[in-house]
Amino acid sequence: SQKIEQNSEALNIQEGKTATLTCNYTNYSPAYLQWYRQDPGRGPVFLLLIRENEKEKRKERLKVTFDTTLKQSLFHITASQPADSATYLCALQGGNNRLAFGKGNQVVVIP
Amino acid sequence: DAGVTQSPTHLIKTRGQQVTLRCSPKSGHDTVSWYQQALGQGPQFIFQYYEEEERQRGNFPDRFSGHQFPNYSSELNVNALLLGDSALYLCASSFGQEAFFGQGTRLTVV
Repeated sequence: SQKIEQNSEALNIQEGKTATLTCNYTNYSPAYLQWYRQDPGRGPVFLLLIRENEKEKRKERLKVTFDTTLKQSLFHITASQPADSATYLCALQGGNNRLAFGKGNQVVVIP
Repeated sequence: DAGVTQSPTHLIKTRGQQVTLRCSPKSGHDTVSWYQQALGQGPQFIFQYYEEEERQRGNFPDRFSGHQFPNYSSELNVNALLLGDSALYLCASSFGQEAFFGQGTRLTVV
């Protein structure tokens, strides 16, 4: 069966450092991989999309890598700030636009 | 642009009752998807509507049904509510790959 795995333990990181999150998946061949941010009690907010034929994507302080051989994506937040504290969700998307989400990984940025 | 709006924001229902949740998509978006998010879990795909038809469905029982109207707004109906249906219900609209989510409806079944 399809599995999307994100680290269940919260990532505590000092302000200014780089936070790195991992998303591993099995039994899936996504056309796209997306990352979302979710704050408590709110809906997810789209951050970045990377296509299966792309290795890396950047947006401001965010960077995503996508390795279809390893079936893994890494999500980086550089120069992290307390405002970056949230849960980050990895989502796989096939050609049908349907999103399959991981459980999410909480990030806590310590001032 | 109001973005995706959902109503109500919170709802408490009794087991066995029926509930209807509503969603207005972002302006210009013609595709609406519904997701269920239990506490501590990622959103789970329920179904997707396009051109007023259900185009895809996730692994949810027939108690979950929906509708899309000509103005692209959508409803999610859940019949015979179970305690396990308590969750945050999210609506997302899209025009392409990027999905825009509403703030969700928190449903509590008692």
